[in-house]
Amino acid sequence: GAGVSQSPRYKVAKRGQDVALRCDPISGHVSLFWYQQALGQGPEFLTYFQNEAQLDKSGLPSDRFFAERPEGSVSTLKIQRTQQEDSAVYLCASSLGQGNQETQYFGPGTRLLVL
Amino acid sequence: AQTVTQSQPEMSVQEAETVTLSCTYDTSESDYYLFWYKQPPSRQMILVIRQEAYKQQNATENRFSVNFQKAAKSFSLKISDSQLGDAAMYFCAYKGYGGSQGNLIFGKGTKLSVKP
Repeated sequence: GAGVSQSPRYKVAKRGQDVALRCDPISGHVSLFWYQQALGQGPEFLTYFQNEAQLDKSGLPSDRFFAERPEGSVSTLKIQRTQQEDSAVYLCASSLGQGNQETQYFGPGTRLLVL
Repeated sequence: AQTVTQSQPEMSVQEAETVTLSCTYDTSESDYYLFWYKQPPSRQMILVIRQEAYKQQNATENRFSVNFQKAAKSFSLKISDSQLGDAAMYFCAYKGYGGSQGNLIFGKGTKLSVKP
């Protein structure tokens, strides 16, 4: 089917606002990852889901960041009380299985700008 | 902790020529995976090539090949017969083998320009 999709593609938020970023993985993909890519940098891991279970959230930078995947498909990354340092591209990736050999397929990202 | 280093922030190549992008990594694990991803401007990241550390043979995908030196912890990407469409950011990435940890660890990237 279609690849990984993310929405919105661009988001401008005022400092202090809450934002929600959506990721639709490839249909049937078990694993889902969120990454944060600051300008001029490589992506950095935020969190990982296997189906609906959040197995690793060690990369979330603060308790303002929250992610969920309640039905094991669509995932939402929520950032509360946004700060300027949250400005980045947020990438979602999915892979078919749960094995470490699985290739991750990336979405186009959501570019967040916090003013 | 594992780290990935790309020492070339920018590279340039003439169309139809060959270019090599460098990547080194640090890990104490013996089994792992290495990847090169391509990120065109304002477009999504796509996998170029992958290498399993237990395989001695270097991976090849059409015009793309790697030079994997496990002892030196080096994983360079060679692009042959460069095309204008190869212009992009290239990221080297590492993934561990064991446990539930499946996230990728990326380098900072190399911006490749292709001159006509």
